[in-house]
Amino acid sequence: GENVEQHPSTLSVQEGDSAVIKCTYSDSASNYFPWYKQELGKRPQLIIDIRSNVGEKKDQRIAVTLNKTAKHFSLHITETQPEDSAVYFCAAWGYQKVTFGTGTKLQVIP
Amino acid sequence: SAVISQKPSRDICQRGTSLTIQCQVDSQVTMMFWYRQQPGQSLTLIATANQGSEATYESGFVIDKFPISRPNLTFSTLTVSNMSPEDSSIYLCSVSGSGTDTQYFGPGTRLTVL
Repeated sequence: GENVEQHPSTLSVQEGDSAVIKCTYSDSASNYFPWYKQELGKRPQLIIDIRSNVGEKKDQRIAVTLNKTAKHFSLHITETQPEDSAVYFCAAWGYQKVTFGTGTKLQVIP
Repeated sequence: SAVISQKPSRDICQRGTSLTIQCQVDSQVTMMFWYRQQPGQSLTLIATANQGSEATYESGFVIDKFPISRPNLTFSTLTVSNMSPEDSSIYLCSVSGSGTDTQYFGPGTRLTVL
């Protein structure tokens, strides 16, 4: 089955700096890669996603890149703000099944 | 986007009892999933709820312990049976339009087993 590894497990950045979270997957058939943000005590919320026919996608301060050959994808947050502090999960969709990464706890220090 | 509600939002139960969690969606969806999330951990898929047929369970989860119903395209239930303290967790319902569509999560049910 699919295996998704996510790094780092924790990340602290100064407000205004950039944050990068990386994930690798094992199943070359996976074709959809969403990222979720989960604030404490709340449900996971989709923040950005990318499909296998695209190499990069950007939405304001958030971007995701995908390297299908290397089977890894990354989340980039620029100009971080305190409200970006949360746990971020990557995920990889195969055939009607999604596998989540282990999560990255991001702390943005004001 | 789909609006998902779950009942109850939280419960405290005695060991050996069972709890049924309900998930209601405001629109018809193809796929419904049940997840478990331990504090500070990632999401673990319990099963995929299939409309009109038995649920598909992940390794380590069995129907006798986690029976699931899905009578229509907007509703599903998960029962946690014969509970033990190890079942204390947050249980999340999730829906998706297809295998590669946006996945939405319910607010979760926080279960504590004493």
